[in-house]
Amino acid sequence: DAGVTQSPTHLIKTRGQHVTLRCSPISGHKSVSWYQQVLGQGPQFIFQYYEKEERGRGNFPDRFSARQFPNYSSELNVNALLLGDSALYLCASSPRGAGHYEQYFGPGTRLTVT
Amino acid sequence: GENVEQHPSTLSVQEGDSAVIKCTYSDSASNYFPWYKQELGKGPQLIIDIRSNVGEKKDQRIAVTLNKTAKHFSLHITETQPEDSAVYFCAASKAYGGSQGNLIFGKGTKLSVKP
Repeated sequence: DAGVTQSPTHLIKTRGQHVTLRCSPISGHKSVSWYQQVLGQGPQFIFQYYEKEERGRGNFPDRFSARQFPNYSSELNVNALLLGDSALYLCASSPRGAGHYEQYFGPGTRLTVT
Repeated sequence: GENVEQHPSTLSVQEGDSAVIKCTYSDSASNYFPWYKQELGKGPQLIIDIRSNVGEKKDQRIAVTLNKTAKHFSLHITETQPEDSAVYFCAASKAYGGSQGNLIFGKGTKLSVKP
């Protein structure tokens, strides 16, 4: 079975630019979460989506936004990029049913802002 | 909000020895505690998890223990192998009903297993 897929794998952008990252969850999973992982740190929660609605938001500025599509795939958008946005962006999917707490991560998108 | 502390930050063991990684959490409402293994250039891989209604869980060479009173949980790896070398993260969340909640991660432990 295919796991969580993310695209692109690597991306280089310039300060001030905008970026869109994409995620496809595991087949049958309806919940997608986004995390930012700075080098040497644990992942930090950005957003959670379920049934196309935002169900949670971490402590990130409004430059970060996301959405979920009817097929449960998701996009993360970041505007006005800063050097500090350089990180690995991870997408995690979850079945989101009664008793299902597990989150499964994709390989991530490595974003470098110069 | 929730805070998760993880120790040690680095751990080096000889092949065949055991490895123990410890985490503490601050929010007594947290009830789901997964452990992830992250290899270089890859996303975190869920290796084992435990819920607050259980004190211990085992899966082959890996076990996790939870002490709700002390608010700490630990990962135990026995008979370590070189392929166990990776960064391990603990996490905590307030999962309820059909919602998994967002994960709060520790800072990670880099485990090196020497052949």
